[in-house]
Amino acid sequence: GAVVSQHPSWVICKSGTSVKIECRSLDFQATTMFWYRQFPKQSLMLMATSNEGSKATYEQGVEKDKFLINHASLTLSTLTVTSAHPEDSSFYICSARDPSGDTNEQFFGPGTRLTVL
Amino acid sequence: GQNIDQPTEMTATEGAIVQINCTYQTSGFNGLFWYQQHAGEAPTFLSYNVLDGLEEKGRFSSFLSRSKGYSYLLLKELQMKDSASYLCAVTDSNYQLIWGAGTKLIIKP
Repeated sequence: GAVVSQHPSWVICKSGTSVKIECRSLDFQATTMFWYRQFPKQSLMLMATSNEGSKATYEQGVEKDKFLINHASLTLSTLTVTSAHPEDSSFYICSARDPSGDTNEQFFGPGTRLTVL
Repeated sequence: GQNIDQPTEMTATEGAIVQINCTYQTSGFNGLFWYQQHAGEAPTFLSYNVLDGLEEKGRFSSFLSRSKGYSYLLLKELQMKDSASYLCAVTDSNYQLIWGAGTKLIIKP
């Protein structure tokens, strides 16, 4: 199946700093990528849909200015958590859909665990 | 609104069979997925159903009834490594994935 990578796997930062997370589709081109957040013992929460070459579509309640998404190429989307605070500590997961596939399966990256001190 | 229901937690014995149910109410339907997620890891794909019936893949099978808005994931010959959360997700008319909260499956020896 298709492979999606994420970098970094984990990051610890001080409150007030910004953190960038990269999501790459390694063997396919993804016009659409998705960013999720998952708090402990909770389900995935879709934050935004990232579209190559256009602005991301954010879910209700997700601050656009705080979670900056850039999808500059067909294989790379980035999520920047600006002015991070301890409540932003979470597991961030990206996924991508392979448009050449038979299903609408989303392939997930391994996730990035963010801890804000 | 859109809604997916699945049990919060289930317990089963190693070597046994367990069935995890999922019911959904969504605006449109373009397929149902089951994903497995181990603690601290990203979800991994298990199965996809778009037509009614049973899809079998090794020890795992998934069933779909579109008229009833119902699916189940059947796990046979349970192994300790099957302890994980199992997520049901439905693709709606806009091809957006709607996620259930997940079922935590605990396997006991």
